[in-house]
Amino acid sequence: DAKTTQPTSMDCAEGRAANLPCNHSTISGNEYVYWYRQIHSQGPQYIIHGLKNNETNEMASLIITEDRKSSTLILPHATLRDTAVYYCIVRVLLGGATNKLIFGTGTLLAVQP
Amino acid sequence: DAGVTQSPTHLIKTRGQQVTLRCSPKSGHDTVSWYQQALGQGPQFIFQYYEEEERQRGNFPDRFSGHQFPNYSSELNVNALLLGDSALYLCASSLFSGGSGELFFGEGSRLTVL
Repeated sequence: DAKTTQPTSMDCAEGRAANLPCNHSTISGNEYVYWYRQIHSQGPQYIIHGLKNNETNEMASLIITEDRKSSTLILPHATLRDTAVYYCIVRVLLGGATNKLIFGTGTLLAVQP
Repeated sequence: DAGVTQSPTHLIKTRGQQVTLRCSPKSGHDTVSWYQQALGQGPQFIFQYYEEEERQRGNFPDRFSGHQFPNYSSELNVNALLLGDSALYLCASSLFSGGSGELFFGEGSRLTVL
């Protein structure tokens, strides 16, 4: 699985959009981009994933550049409860799946009141 | 619909002892993976179980072993505990095939080795 690079930490004002970047310059054509977050002392929580098209769900939007070498997770209206470590992970999704995720150290997003 | 449940939530052991952690997957899931998370680090993959067999393994010694039962629940066993085994142990469940490939994590079992 390709490696990812994320900033160590970011701040965001409550109510504003939080944009979390991720670089994955060695991503292969069959690798998906997944985002998880981990609120302090809890298990990681799935947010969203995508292959090459932009994706949106009730939690967030995922913007993947055309060359797929980077992506941005967008939380449209950040709240204090969004303070967490956000992990960007790239992996192949296989039938009969490998469910191994390789976590980096992620981005600590601090939402400020 | 119960999510992933793990037990115990916290436990303290001494060096050399053995520990067993338990996990019940989300309803409908058939695959269980275990992760170790040291303080300040991201989770590291230990192994994955499907159809009561270990399917994949990360870079962990044989002291770490597991089991999956016919009802899909799983156990993680660690023998001859070392101080460095102190960590949050996370269980994740998923579907082996089909689905979107997302994993659902439990809240973890925090192991302290003294």
